[in-house]
Amino acid sequence: EAGVVQSPRYKIIEKKQPVAFWCNPISGHNTLYWYRQNLGQGPELLIRYENEEAVDDSQLPKDRFSAERLKGVDSTLKIQPAELGDSAVYLCASSFRLMNTEAFFGQGTRLTVV
Amino acid sequence: GNSVTQMEGPVTLSEEAFLTINCTYTATGYPSLFWYVQYPGEGLQLLLKATKADDKGSNKGFEATYRKETTSFHLEKGSVQVSDSAVYFCALQYNNNDMRFGAGTRLTVKP
Repeated sequence: EAGVVQSPRYKIIEKKQPVAFWCNPISGHNTLYWYRQNLGQGPELLIRYENEEAVDDSQLPKDRFSAERLKGVDSTLKIQPAELGDSAVYLCASSFRLMNTEAFFGQGTRLTVV
Repeated sequence: GNSVTQMEGPVTLSEEAFLTINCTYTATGYPSLFWYVQYPGEGLQLLLKATKADDKGSNKGFEATYRKETTSFHLEKGSVQVSDSAVYFCALQYNNNDMRFGAGTRLTVKP
């Protein structure tokens, strides 16, 4: 069974440019998470979807970040414009919408803003 | 709010040494608790979990017990190997599927 797939794996952009990340969750997983992981730190939640509904986006910097999950499957996370401080690994995870079930993570996208 | 506090690293041990990585949590209600591991160059993967008080999660020789009275979920292994070198993350999950992570503890095991 395929795991969570993210692309691209790496991205280098200049500041003020836009960037987008794509995530394909495990088939049948209702819940999809986007996390940001800074160097030497744990993942920090940006947004959580239940199917196509964003149920927690309180940590998403909405002035420059946006996300969508059309049809409740794939998701994209966008940053426009990017800032130097956005350099991090962006992780996507998915899980069944049941209590006590673990989240499965993709490999992440390492973003470097120069 | 709900949060996880992990023992700061890095931790360096010799092969076959005993490992403890401390994790405490703050939460309302009864969260599920997890340990995730991130090997070099790989994504996060579940190591073990416990869903209610006094449950013990175990995998690959690692164990952790859900202690409600001390709000802890410490990770232990009796004899570490070089291949256990990785970053370990403690995490908690609320009933609404929200999952929060600790800062991570880097473990290096030397031969």
